[in-house]
Amino acid sequence: QVQLVHSGAEVKKPGASVKVSCKASGYTFTSYYIHWVRQAPGQGLEWMGVINPSGANTIYAQKFQGRVTMTRATSTSTVYMELSSLRSEDTAVYYCARVDCSGGSCSNHFDYWGQGTLVTVSS
Amino acid sequence: NFMLTQPHSVSESPGKTVTISCTRSSGSIARNYVQWYQQRPGSAPTTVIYEHNQRPSGVPDRFSGSIDSSSNSASLTISGLKTEDEADYYCQSYDSSHPWVFGGGTKLTVL
Repeated sequence: QVQLVHSGAEVKKPGASVKVSCKASGYTFTSYYIHWVRQAPGQGLEWMGVINPSGANTIYAQKFQGRVTMTRATSTSTVYMELSSLRSEDTAVYYCARVDCSGGSCSNHFDYWGQGTLVTVSS
Repeated sequence: NFMLTQPHSVSESPGKTVTISCTRSSGSIARNYVQWYQQRPGSAPTTVIYEHNQRPSGVPDRFSGSIDSSSNSASLTISGLKTEDEADYYCQSYDSSHPWVFGGGTKLTVL
């Protein structure tokens, strides 16, 4: 069955970086783009960016440009999201979510989500 | 830039029907598909409607989606409300400049 499994919760100090992983299983890793969406406590969903696991090309939301890096390791079917220069406002649950691109074009919705990783930024 | 505006909260009784709106600030609502996600407390979101009005397998037909070009909005309608439908609901769409945009979310209370 399809699974997206996140790495564990992180606590970071302001100014530090965090790298969250999302390990995929149960499907062809390179046929589905992986998006990252975050949710601050009590707040809504915020799209951060997307990576194509096949070619590793990425698109980042303008808000995070220069601070976020998304990468992948095809050998382990894992996608990574690194966010740098952390501040308290980055405290959130970070989700990876899958979009079907197996048919040559991509669908418009997430069909599977990971369970999320809580990142807490505190001095 | 465009925004998707949702009511902050709605409430309705079990067995009734509720509609949640999602208004697009600029650009045609009909031009780019709208999706709807349900998020129960403490859980990741799940898709209940995609491409304006399509239901993923496993989503009951009590959930339906539509768009209204005259008001430039999309709607999620849930009929025969159950207590398990109590959750936050988010609309989502996109355009060529903004790959994925979410609405602010609507808290549905079933009381």
